[in-house]
Amino acid sequence: DTEVTQTPKHLVMGMTNKKSLKCEQHMGHRAMYWYKQKAKKPPELMFVYSYEKLSINESVPSRFSPECPNSSLLNLHLHALQPEDSALYLCASSQNPYGGEQYFGPGTRLTVT
Amino acid sequence: EDQVTQSPEALRLQEGESSSLNCSYTVSGLRGLFWYRQDPGKGPEFLFTLYSAGEEKEKERLKATLTKKESFLHITAPKPEDSATYLCAVRTNAGKSTFGDGTTLTVKP
Repeated sequence: DTEVTQTPKHLVMGMTNKKSLKCEQHMGHRAMYWYKQKAKKPPELMFVYSYEKLSINESVPSRFSPECPNSSLLNLHLHALQPEDSALYLCASSQNPYGGEQYFGPGTRLTVT
Repeated sequence: EDQVTQSPEALRLQEGESSSLNCSYTVSGLRGLFWYRQDPGKGPEFLFTLYSAGEEKEKERLKATLTKKESFLHITAPKPEDSATYLCAVRTNAGKSTFGDGTTLTVKP
């Protein structure tokens, strides 16, 4: 099974709201990732968790706060977002934090109003 | 700085008309080149991993090849269901992935 699940599928939030995105994988992968993808653009790496520790933060604004409660779960907490943060947020996982293919979830379509 | 460039940006083929997509890259410390397929509104789907020049991988109508500077995704006798955006990505020693902008393939029946 190479499934990565993400909830919710769609999210609409105001600029003053606090919300969270959830990602789960049960493949025993030791690395998990958050990507942001705008329309007709490739995924942009935001965060990497390696063995449940944050290993890469691509200078993401603090209104995005990642959390890895355990090796199967990854959350992205959202607060005081801007309309330009509207995008498809993708979670991915890989067996090896330093190489190997990534398996992506279906994404959460976020709209900030 | 790591760079990945895909061409063409868009490709329209007739069903059965074979062609190739290109991915050229400049990275320091390549830890793999990956091809993904992405359908509109969905997450990328893993297709192939290539690690060293000369390596080839095949899956149904798709074949991926790798040289020291570029990779090709060859599509033989494509069908309409092969229509999608094909993304190339490289992973480096730092553990980061850099994606190209993708090639949007449309196969007309």
